[in-house]
Amino acid sequence: GESVGLHLPTLSVQEGDNSIINCAYSNSASDYFIWYKQESGKGPQFIIDIRSNMDKRQGQRVTVLLNKTVKHLSLQIAATQPGDSAVYFCAEKGAGRRALTFGSGTRLQVQP
Amino acid sequence: NAGVMQNPRHLVRRRGQEARLRCSPMKGHSHVYWYRQLPEEGLKFMVYLQKENIIDESGMPKERFSAEFPKEGPSILRIQQVVRGDSAAYFCASSPNLRGISTDTQYFGPGTRLTVL
Repeated sequence: GESVGLHLPTLSVQEGDNSIINCAYSNSASDYFIWYKQESGKGPQFIIDIRSNMDKRQGQRVTVLLNKTVKHLSLQIAATQPGDSAVYFCAEKGAGRRALTFGSGTRLQVQP
Repeated sequence: NAGVMQNPRHLVRRRGQEARLRCSPMKGHSHVYWYRQLPEEGLKFMVYLQKENIIDESGMPKERFSAEFPKEGPSILRIQQVVRGDSAAYFCASSPNLRGISTDTQYFGPGTRLTVL
């Protein structure tokens, strides 16, 4: 069946360092990927997305990389700040569907 | 621009009661999705609706759960005869419909935390 999972459940970084959060997916028919940030007690907040016909997309301080060969997705956060501390979820969408399949999440802890 | 709105934010029910969760999508969005999240887990898809139509309910439990998105008013997720296992955070998301084509980006509301005693 479809599954989306993360390699590291918790990532601790120093303020100012770059963070890399990884995600593996199994559905080769996925055509859309998205990263969300979720703070405690809040809903998921959109960070960045990417379609399967791309391998890299950049936003403000964030970059998403997609490697379809090994079914791997990563989120890079530059100059990590304390406000970046949260749980990060990757999600994918299969072609022809609207439902998102979420990974289990990675907790990012930023040490001052 | 108001985001996706959900109410109530917190709901407490006793076993056997009914729970009604409401979701108003972002202005201009005509696609609504419901997801459930257990503590320390990712979100699980439940149902996808457009106005007056259920498009995909593959994630909905077969019994006690229903959803609607009427022509007027918010989308409603209804859980009948709640059990303790229904305790979770329920999130609604919406996506825009640009020039008749829905985009894939889903924007989430703050969620409803349901506690069943």
